[in-house]
Amino acid sequence: EVQLLESGGGLVQPGGSLRLSCAASGFTFSSYAMSWVRQAPGKGLEWVSGISGSGGSTYYADSVKGRFTISRDNSKNTLYLEMNSLRAEDTAVYYCAKRSARIELVPAAIDYWGQGTLVTVSS
Amino acid sequence: EIVMTQSPATLSVSPGERATLSCRASQSVSSSLAWYQQKPGQAPRVLIYGASTRATGIPARFSGSGSGTEFTLTISSLQSEDLAVYYCQQYNNWPPYTFGQGTKLEIK
Repeated sequence: EVQLLESGGGLVQPGGSLRLSCAASGFTFSSYAMSWVRQAPGKGLEWVSGISGSGGSTYYADSVKGRFTISRDNSKNTLYLEMNSLRAEDTAVYYCAKRSARIELVPAAIDYWGQGTLVTVSS
Repeated sequence: EIVMTQSPATLSVSPGERATLSCRASQSVSSSLAWYQQKPGQAPRVLIYGASTRATGIPARFSGSGSGTEFTLTISSLQSEDLAVYYCQQYNNWPPYTFGQGTKLEIK
């Protein structure tokens, strides 16, 4: 059974930093690209960042480029999101999400989501 | 970036009736379109991918259609447990994934 378990959320002041983690199990983690998707309170879904299975390619939404860093440790089956220079508008539930296809050149949807971790940026 | 537009924003349907949700892409996404259901307080889950393929374990009352820029999610006979927000997502041009703003489905 595929499981994605996020952790690391919490309350942080504007300008602060936070590191999210996502522990994956139930599949060959290194074979799949992964993403972080966030949802501000009462709002819709926003893709934040993605990373290839090897970790060699990373992608970011314009809204977080230069402030967030995605990474993965395939030996620990764990995905990370390092968030710096946090702003009030970064307040959201952050979901870890697994891409459905192994082959990264093939268009593929998200097939599994974690339960999310809440990040609140406020003074 | 491809913009996804969903309509209506809110839909109120009686149990047993049909619900039809629409999603439009700002440019063609071929059949690379997924629908997700998000119940209150829960993470999203995939219902449909490839515009019309039901994900594992999804009831047959959920169906998807369309290609290119126009897509539809149909719930043939609404159940009370279908109360949720439904999002469409294109994945033809990744990154980024782009989502519609969601349709909130209410039960009359």
